[in-house]
Amino acid sequence: QQQVKQSPQSLIVQKGGISIINCAYENTAFDYFPWYQQFPGKGPALLIAIRPDVSEKKEGRFTISFNKSAKQFSLHIMDSQPGDSATYFCAATGANNLFFGTGTRLTVIP
Amino acid sequence: ETGVTQSPTHLIKTRGQQVTLRCSSQSGHNTVSWYQQALGQGPQFIFQYYREEENGRGNFPPRFSGLQFPNYSSELNVNALELDDSALYLCASRGGAGAYEQYFGPGTRLTVT
Repeated sequence: QQQVKQSPQSLIVQKGGISIINCAYENTAFDYFPWYQQFPGKGPALLIAIRPDVSEKKEGRFTISFNKSAKQFSLHIMDSQPGDSATYFCAATGANNLFFGTGTRLTVIP
Repeated sequence: ETGVTQSPTHLIKTRGQQVTLRCSSQSGHNTVSWYQQALGQGPQFIFQYYREEENGRGNFPPRFSGLQFPNYSSELNVNALELDDSALYLCASRGGAGAYEQYFGPGTRLTVT
C-alpha cells in the first residue's frame, strides 16, 4: 500500500516557468513532510521540508504548500531552470522511517 | 555533499551469494537508516539503527540484517541474494532518533545476476 501518492509521474516545463508537483497522504500520524531532489546516479538530497502546523514554507525558488484538512502538500519551483531537471520525491514520516512517493521526473527545457 | 559516505559504489553478485554494504554517517549523527531503491521507484525503508540497536524495520525479510558500530558507522548485510535484490541501496543519517532531517549518502548499486 502506497502511503504517499505523488503526481505527475513526469513533468516538462519551459525555462522560467513554474513546476508544480503534488502529493497526498492518508496517515494523520505523519508530522514531517520533506521533499528530496535526486540526480541520476546520486542519492536523494534534502530540498525543503514542512511541519503540519504551517501552511506554507518558502526557501528561495522552492515553496511547499500544505493543506492539513485535505491531507495534501505540493512543491512549487518558481523560475524553473535547466539545472532543476531531476527526479523529485515527496516523503512523510511520523516515527522513524520516511515513506516516499513514487517520484516525479522533471525536465526543464531551455 | 551530506558527509554520508557509502562503499562500494557498485557491486555485482550472483544469486545465492551474500553481500555487505558499508556506510559512514555524517559527523555527530548517531542514527542511521537503510533504504532500498529499485529502478524508477522511491526508496523503501529497510531498517534503522540508533546507538547500535535496531529500533525500526520495514517490510523486508530477515535475510536483510544490519549492524551499527560505536563510531556510528553501519553495515547492511543481505544473505541468499535474489535477482529482485538488484537496486540502489541508500543509507541516511540523522542527529538522533528525535531529529527529523535525514541526509542520504550516494548509494551502492547492487546488481544480482
